[in-house]
Parts: sequence; C-alpha cells; structure tokens
Amino acid sequence: EVQLLDSGGGLVQPGGSLRLSCAASGFRFNTHAMMWVRQAPGKGLEWVSSITGRGADTFYAASVKGRFSVSRDNSKDTLYLQMDSLRGEDTAIYYCARGRSEGAVDWFDPWGQGTLVTVSS
Amino acid sequence: QSALTQPASVSESPGQSITISCTGSSSDVGGYDLVSWYQQSPGKAPKLMIFDVNNRPSGVSNRFSGSKSGNTASLTISGLQVEDEGDYYCCSYAGGATWVFGGGTKVSVL
Repeated sequence: EVQLLDSGGGLVQPGGSLRLSCAASGFRFNTHAMMWVRQAPGKGLEWVSSITGRGADTFYAASVKGRFSVSRDNSKDTLYLQMDSLRGEDTAIYYCARGRSEGAVDWFDPWGQGTLVTVSS
Repeated sequence: QSALTQPASVSESPGQSITISCTGSSSDVGGYDLVSWYQQSPGKAPKLMIFDVNNRPSGVSNRFSGSKSGNTASLTISGLQVEDEGDYYCCSYAGGATWVFGGGTKVSVL
C-alpha cells in the first residue's frame, strides 16, 4: 500500500525555522516527483513546492520562494521542506503528495495526513 | 497567480446530479489538459477523484466525471449520495512548473 507520513510540524515564532518530513512507503520513491501543499485554517489548498524524482529540479510558489527549500533523500525514501523566516501567514496544515512520474507532477496522489505548522509569538 | 474560481457551495437531494465549475484563464485551465479534482472530508487529507480533465483513478465511482470547455473545467456527480458530502477542489497546471487550486466548493446532500 502506498503511504505518506508527514511529520515535523509545531509552534514556532515569527522569523523562526522548521523542517518538515514526509516518509514514503509502498512505491519506488525515486521514480516520482513529490510536492508540498498547504491549507490555512478554514481555507483552501495552496501548492507550495515540487521536486523531481532524482531531486535535480525544484520549484516554488511565489509566496515562499527564497524562504522555503524542498529536498529529498532517496536512500531514506523521505521528502523534506525546510522553512525559514516564517510568517504568520505560513500557519497551515502542510501535506506532502506524490506526482505522476519522475519528472512530471500532473496530479497529486496520494496525500499524507498533514502536519500542522503554527507561526505565532 | 490567482486561485481558480469555484462556487462556494452546492446543495442537492440524494439521487440528483450536481456540477461544480472551475474557472481560470488561458494561462492555466484553458492552456493545458492538466486539470484534476480532489475531495476532502472534514479533518481528512484530500483524495484524487479526477485527473487529466476527465479520467478517474482506479477505485473512484463512475458517478464522478470531469470535462472542460475553454477556460472552465467542471466536475459532475451523478446519483448523489450522502457519502459524497465534503469539500471539492479543482487544480490546474499554470505553466512554469507551478500549480493553482480553486477556492473549494462545499457539497451538501440535503
């Protein structure tokens, strides 16, 4: 069974940093692009970042570019999101999701269960 | 880029059909056949229901169907059931390896 397990969320002060993790199982991790999508409390979904299967290419939403960094360790079947210079508007549930293939996202399936990040003093 | 436009809510009786629209522009919905739809139940992660405009993943009921005309994509749920309640989001490729979601539609089965 394909599974994604998100972790690493918590309470952090504005300007602080946090690293999220997404542990994958049940499929060949390095053959799929991976993404992070977030959902602010009571709001809709927002694509945050993507990374290709081998980690060669990364992409970011304008709202997080320069502050967030996506990476992956294919030897550990794990995806990461390093979040720096956090702001109140980054408060959200963060989900990881799998893409169609190594180089193509195309859709998001499945999704992790999400991890809550709260940015507040 | 701006979020795709969806109606905030749709309600209908069991057994009836509903259609949820998702309006974007020629830079996203109208420019690519990479529209997908997700169902989200309260407190749960989203679930893929439709990909590439009109394709259903294995295991998704054939009561769900997708289409696109110009800059507007649509999700139709036929034979509405109580278990179909939840929030539905469209998503489209927006060029430059970026993706944009709709604002979401709350579906209620009366």
